[in-house]
Amino acid sequence: EIVMTQSPATLSVSPGERASLSCRASQSVSSSLAWYQQKPGQAPRLLIYGASTRATAIPARFSGSGSGTEFTLTISSLQSEDFAVYYCQQYDNWPWTFGQGTKVEVK
Amino acid sequence: DVQLVESGGGLVQPGGSLRLSCAASGFTFSSYSMHWVRQAPGRGLECVSAISTGGGSTYYVNSVKGRFTISRDNSKNTLYLQMDSLTPDDTAVYYCARVLTGYDYWGQGTLVTVSS
Repeated sequence: EIVMTQSPATLSVSPGERASLSCRASQSVSSSLAWYQQKPGQAPRLLIYGASTRATAIPARFSGSGSGTEFTLTISSLQSEDFAVYYCQQYDNWPWTFGQGTKVEVK
Repeated sequence: DVQLVESGGGLVQPGGSLRLSCAASGFTFSSYSMHWVRQAPGRGLECVSAISTGGGSTYYVNSVKGRFTISRDNSKNTLYLQMDSLTPDDTAVYYCARVLTGYDYWGQGTLVTVSS
């Protein structure tokens, strides 16, 4: 099973600032990497797939990069609606696995 | 619009069974692989089971192998998860999710609580 490790666990950011979230895979997943946003009481929402492609209707302030074992999600200028938990997920090998999440909170 | 609606969750005693359903609409259900994903209270996400478009291939995470059975009825646009021999560790919100590159659509989830 591929282990996905996210850092940091919590990121305190002021509105308008830039946030960078990291995700590391225990072995290469090529570009089979997705990012999700989850707000309390809601299902996760797909933000990024293929490591760097924004999903439908996702604002341009969200961007993804990386390949192999190291990945980054960047939110260029945090808006109030962006404070949430973010998960990375590999879909290269079954079982598909998620990181433990990074909570982005208001500083 | 794509919709996935889960049902069948509830409170069950350890050792008991439940059958979850996921009703799909707004897309050609038979063209997509489908997964069940669960989230224990206050915890992260875990892919539990997967099924191919025609149902001929199924996959399970080790923790549920031999206890859970995934299936689908493409004539009814419905995905199922039969859960047997439930333990408190199976307590979670269970989501069905459509597979594309990752999960592009999720249901709202159904809560399964295993407790005596």
